[in-house]
Amino acid sequence: DGGITQSPKYLFRKEGQNVTLSCEQNLNHDAMYWYRQDPGQGLRLIYYSQIVNDFQKGDIAEGYSVSREKKESFPLTVTSAQKNPTAFYLCASSKGTTYVGEEQYFGPGTRLTVT
Amino acid sequence: AQKVTQAQTEISVVEKEDVTLDCVYETRDTTYYLFWYKQPPSGELVFLIRRNSFDEQNEISGRYSWNFQKSTSSFNFTITASQVVDSAVYFCALSEAPSNTGKLIFGQGTTLQVKP
Repeated sequence: DGGITQSPKYLFRKEGQNVTLSCEQNLNHDAMYWYRQDPGQGLRLIYYSQIVNDFQKGDIAEGYSVSREKKESFPLTVTSAQKNPTAFYLCASSKGTTYVGEEQYFGPGTRLTVT
Repeated sequence: AQKVTQAQTEISVVEKEDVTLDCVYETRDTTYYLFWYKQPPSGELVFLIRRNSFDEQNEISGRYSWNFQKSTSSFNFTITASQVVDSAVYFCALSEAPSNTGKLIFGQGTTLQVKP
């Protein structure tokens, strides 16, 4: 079955530690995205990548880093510089920007709690 | 600036009632795309519909229907004869074609609770 996997579903970390969230897709999509969702709020874009070895900052990139070494994978690192890291993180993918206005497909999300 | 507003934070209805979720958007572009997603309690967003700015035809899919009106910059979503399984958070989103980054701008979401 094609889809997006995110692991783990729940993640707990101590303040001051970096943590990496996994996102893998087997949809052969070029574009991948990371969003953050806080209670009662919409999704906010952290980073996105339109092609391998390239990525751009979204609206709230501070305190986060990403890499895109493989088409299938787009891991997100939440660094100790992120002031409020506790949130629900969603990864998404789409065919790519050669297909204008394409819908994005989402993974199941990772709920990160930092204490 | 681009913006999506879902003014209804929470809606509660009884099963079999019809319910409309409002979405108002702002954009300076003439070419854009609008989306609706459903987020059930499991957390994963499920794509429901995409509509481009040149297609103002309303769409119906089973109990779901969408009303797109460019004159009022609205893209409202109606569920007919609601069911408990419709309980979820619903998001409206906007994508602008000219920039072609694929970025989606989301509204704050509307939590729909359907009671038996």
